[in-house]
Amino acid sequence: AQSVTQPDIHITVSEGASLELRCNYSYGATPYLFWYVQSPGQGLQLLLKYFSGDTLVQGIKGFEAEFKRSQSSFNLRKPSVHWSDAAEYFCAVGDGDKLIFGTGTRLQVFP
Amino acid sequence: NAGVTQTPKFQVLKTGQSMTLQCAQDMNHNSMYWYRQDPGMGLRLIYYSASEGTTDKGEVPNGYNVSRLNKREFSLRLESAAPSQTSVYFCASSKTGFEGQPQHFGDGTRLSIL
Repeated sequence: AQSVTQPDIHITVSEGASLELRCNYSYGATPYLFWYVQSPGQGLQLLLKYFSGDTLVQGIKGFEAEFKRSQSSFNLRKPSVHWSDAAEYFCAVGDGDKLIFGTGTRLQVFP
Repeated sequence: NAGVTQTPKFQVLKTGQSMTLQCAQDMNHNSMYWYRQDPGMGLRLIYYSASEGTTDKGEVPNGYNVSRLNKREFSLRLESAAPSQTSVYFCASSKTGFEGQPQHFGDGTRLSIL
């Protein structure tokens, strides 16, 4: 069965520091991969998606993610974090007509 | 352009009461989904509707029923609420059920069952 693992439950960074959130997936074929962000009290917003082609994908709010088939990973990165990036981040893989979500990583940003 | 609208935003129920959560989307999407979100467990799919007139069970369907009323609306019903159903419920929609399609989410319904 398809699955998504986000090994970091909680990450704390200083404002202006770089960020990398990890995501590993289990999928038999070429995966469709997504990153979503959830601000407190809000629904999930799509940050970026990978379908095929260039393995480095750009998203909104200055985020990017790199697909590495050899490592079954799709890590999310941002070169300089802003205080407004504090939120919960979810990685997901397409599975037929559904999405399988990871358990999320909560990002805390210190000034 | 509202996207996905969920009502109510908050609700408190007593054990055994029934309740219907409403969801409507204005993006002409074919597929709609209901999830529950619990701490440390991410989002788990309850039911989904790949197209108008069809519904299918997800990962955690027990204790819930759904109705795809028309293309816009997809409701979730708790017939006899239990404390274990205390959660945040999210409705989502996508253009089609094709696995490459992103889903668009509502802001959630926070449900507490006493």
